[in-house]
Amino acid sequence: DAKTTQPPSMDCAEGRAANLPCNHSTISGNEYVYWYRQIHSQGPQYIIHGLKNNETNEMASLIITEDRKSSTLILPHATLRDTAVYYCIVSTDSWGKFQFGAGTQVVVTP
Amino acid sequence: SQTIHQWPATLVQPVGSPLSLECTVEGTSNPNLYWYRQAAGRGLQLLFYSVGIGQISSEVPQNLSASRPQDRQFILSSKKLLLSDSGFYLCALRETSGTSYNEQFFGPGTRLTVL
Repeated sequence: DAKTTQPPSMDCAEGRAANLPCNHSTISGNEYVYWYRQIHSQGPQYIIHGLKNNETNEMASLIITEDRKSSTLILPHATLRDTAVYYCIVSTDSWGKFQFGAGTQVVVTP
Repeated sequence: SQTIHQWPATLVQPVGSPLSLECTVEGTSNPNLYWYRQAAGRGLQLLFYSVGIGQISSEVPQNLSASRPQDRQFILSSKKLLLSDSGFYLCALRETSGTSYNEQFFGPGTRLTVL
């Protein structure tokens, strides 16, 4: 599976949009991009995934560049409860195996 | 919708003692099941995955083993715990119906401390 690169940390003001970047320059054509988040001492929570089109759900939007080498997770109106580690994963493994990196620690401040 | 149960929630065990962590799932049939471990301050590491009853694949050599005696039951075991086995153990499932790219859902986890 392709490796991903994320900034180790970022801060965001409550009520503002949070834009979380992920670089996956070695992604192959059939690999999906998944985003998860992990609030302290809990299991990871699925956020969104996509292949090449932009995706939106009730939690977030996923913007994938045309060359698919990077993506951005957008939390439209960050709240204090969005403070978590956010993981970007790319995978096409038919067994569904994920390789988690270090993720981005997002801190939302009042 | 699917539900994942893990127990115990926390566990403190002495070095050299045995271990058995249980994961059971509801609301789905024939899921893929996964065990992950998260050491303190680190990311998640995939330990085992299973695509069916009695079918276990190990991702990394270690002091642990896994079994899947029933479709919705996944067990993580050790005969003798090491200090390095301390961590947060997470069970996850992926539904096998629908697309090949279904997301994984994670359980609440078991926090294991080996002293």
